[in-house]
Amino acid sequence: GNSVTQMEGPVTLSEEAFLTINCTYTATGYPSLFWYVQYPGEGLQLLLKATKADDKGSNKGFEATYRKETTSFHLEKGSVQVSDSAVYFCALRETGNTPLVFGKGTRLSVIA
Amino acid sequence: EADIYQTPRYLVIGTGKKITLECSQTMGHDKMYWYQQDPGMELHLIHYSYGVNSTEKGDLSSESTVSRIRTEHFPLTLESARPSHTSQYLCASSDPGSGDTEAFFGQGTRLTVV
Repeated sequence: GNSVTQMEGPVTLSEEAFLTINCTYTATGYPSLFWYVQYPGEGLQLLLKATKADDKGSNKGFEATYRKETTSFHLEKGSVQVSDSAVYFCALRETGNTPLVFGKGTRLSVIA
Repeated sequence: EADIYQTPRYLVIGTGKKITLECSQTMGHDKMYWYQQDPGMELHLIHYSYGVNSTEKGDLSSESTVSRIRTEHFPLTLESARPSHTSQYLCASSDPGSGDTEAFFGQGTRLTVV
């Protein structure tokens, strides 16, 4: 079946540090890939997405590239801020008619 | 801004009580989902619906039930709450027919059963 494996946390970084959260997936077809973010006490918000190989999703300084050859969708940000402290989820959807499949989440804490 | 709402945001209830968690969306989405989020953050799909009068069980077995009588409404019911039901419950909706593949989430209901 489909699955998502993401880097285990927690991750603690100093402000302005470089962030990478690894995500790899297993899927039988060509899924769409997503990163969601969950701030404390809130639901999930879509951070970025990519729907086909070599697409790059980007938003708020975060980026991730859909790499079919390595089945990966790693999240990166060049300079994190305290306000980026949250839980990040990688997810995939095989087709529009199937529910999202999530990774286990990675908690990021950014300290000033 | 996603238009999907969950009520209540927080609920503390005694063992054995019947509860209904409400989820409504104003986007006209056919597909709706309920996820249970454990304290370790992991999300588990417990129910989903592809449209009115359609409901399916998710990957995680749950004692809760759902109904989908109207497109915009997807309530989740626990007939007899137990402490093991203490969790965060997240509702989501999507409309792949519009070309968007992502799901939109509500703010969640944090349920505590004492």
